[in-house]
Amino acid sequence: ELKVEQNPLFLSMQEGKNYTIYCNYSTTSDRLYWYRQDPGKSLESLFVLLSNGAVKQEGRLMASLDTKARLSTLHITAAVHDLSATYFCAVDYSNTGNQFYFGTGTSLTVIP
Amino acid sequence: SAVISQKPSRDICQRGTSLTIQCQVDSQVTMMFWYRQQPGQSLTLIATANQGSEATYESGFVIDKFPISRPNLTFSTLTVSNMSPEDSSIYLCSATGLLSSGNTIYFGEGSWLTVV
Repeated sequence: ELKVEQNPLFLSMQEGKNYTIYCNYSTTSDRLYWYRQDPGKSLESLFVLLSNGAVKQEGRLMASLDTKARLSTLHITAAVHDLSATYFCAVDYSNTGNQFYFGTGTSLTVIP
Repeated sequence: SAVISQKPSRDICQRGTSLTIQCQVDSQVTMMFWYRQQPGQSLTLIATANQGSEATYESGFVIDKFPISRPNLTFSTLTVSNMSPEDSSIYLCSATGLLSSGNTIYFGEGSWLTVV
């Protein structure tokens, strides 16, 4: 069974702190995506990770992929209130781009 | 990045009726998909919209309930048939395969349906 699990599901953190969101998936894939969703909005693409060991950074967010461990992480550095949103990882199981399975989502609240 | 437009953005529908959602991409794409996001939940893939042929449905979704069309490379429709309150969700169109986007998958703004 194809599964994509994230933890934690809910995260409340203070501004200035660091934290990591984890995304585990059940079947081999080397294509993983991270998205952000604000309340009442659609999904915004954050990162596309396409190989083992891939690391990408944008501002206070850094994503990495370990295909052997079937694990991706989204690390938040010195959180600010504007990062409050729900974050989803998604895995492409087909390797041809036509089957994406989304994680459970992590609802992040950054407290001033 | 691609612009994906969906219509309607929101609607309140009567039980037993059907509603068609339109998705227009501003450039040619290879793959288009329809997702459902129930309140407070993650996204679930409904089907892959295939150009000129029947859509490919995921487990738990059937053509009679969610007929899909894709007459060309930039346009697709999803119909939610015989609606019940359980169909109240956000329906999202997505696309990939744009020449300029690499492997990124883009999403429309979503269509928020409430069935009463």
